[in-house]
Amino acid sequence: GENVEQHPSTLSVQEGDSAVIKCTYSDSASNYFPWYKQELGKRPQLIIDIRSNVGEKKDQRIAVTLNKTAKHFSLHITETQPEDSAVYFCAAFMNRDDKIIFGKGTRLHILP
Amino acid sequence: EPEVTQTPSHQVTQMGQEVILRCVPISNHLYFYWYRQILGQKVEFLVSFYNNEISEKSEIFDDQFSVERPDGSNFTLKIRSTKLEDSAMYFCASNGGPTYEQYFGPGTRLTVT
Repeated sequence: GENVEQHPSTLSVQEGDSAVIKCTYSDSASNYFPWYKQELGKRPQLIIDIRSNVGEKKDQRIAVTLNKTAKHFSLHITETQPEDSAVYFCAAFMNRDDKIIFGKGTRLHILP
Repeated sequence: EPEVTQTPSHQVTQMGQEVILRCVPISNHLYFYWYRQILGQKVEFLVSFYNNEISEKSEIFDDQFSVERPDGSNFTLKIRSTKLEDSAMYFCASNGGPTYEQYFGPGTRLTVT
């Protein structure tokens, strides 16, 4: 079945450094890739998304890249700040199936 | 800004009992979803609903689960006979189209004892 692998499961970076989280997906029919940030006890919130007709998208300190051939997509956070500490989930959406498959999440710690 | 709302925020029930979790999606949205998140784990897709019918469901969504949009505003998830392993946070989400942003509700924490 469809699967989304996410790495690493935990990531610690010094404040001000960059963080990179990587995901791979199994179904080449996936065409929409959102990234969600979830703080403890709260709902997932979309931070950025990318569609399969685009290779890269940037929004201030956050960027996402997509390699359709390799079925990889990555989240890049630059100049990390304490408020970036959270769990980040990648996801892949398959239009034909109308469902989103989430990765297992990455717990990001920003160290002072 | 419009939001997805869910009630109750926390539901405690005994094993074998029926529960109904309620959601009010954003009013002009057409697609509705339920997800489950066991504590400390990933968000798992349960079901999607469009045009008054289920469009997709996962293996988790077995005969014990059902969804309904009874009155054009509420979207409910019913678990007929709860099991201990149904304990989780249940999130409702909605969006205006298949590849549009999904807006999540605040969740209902279900505890089955």
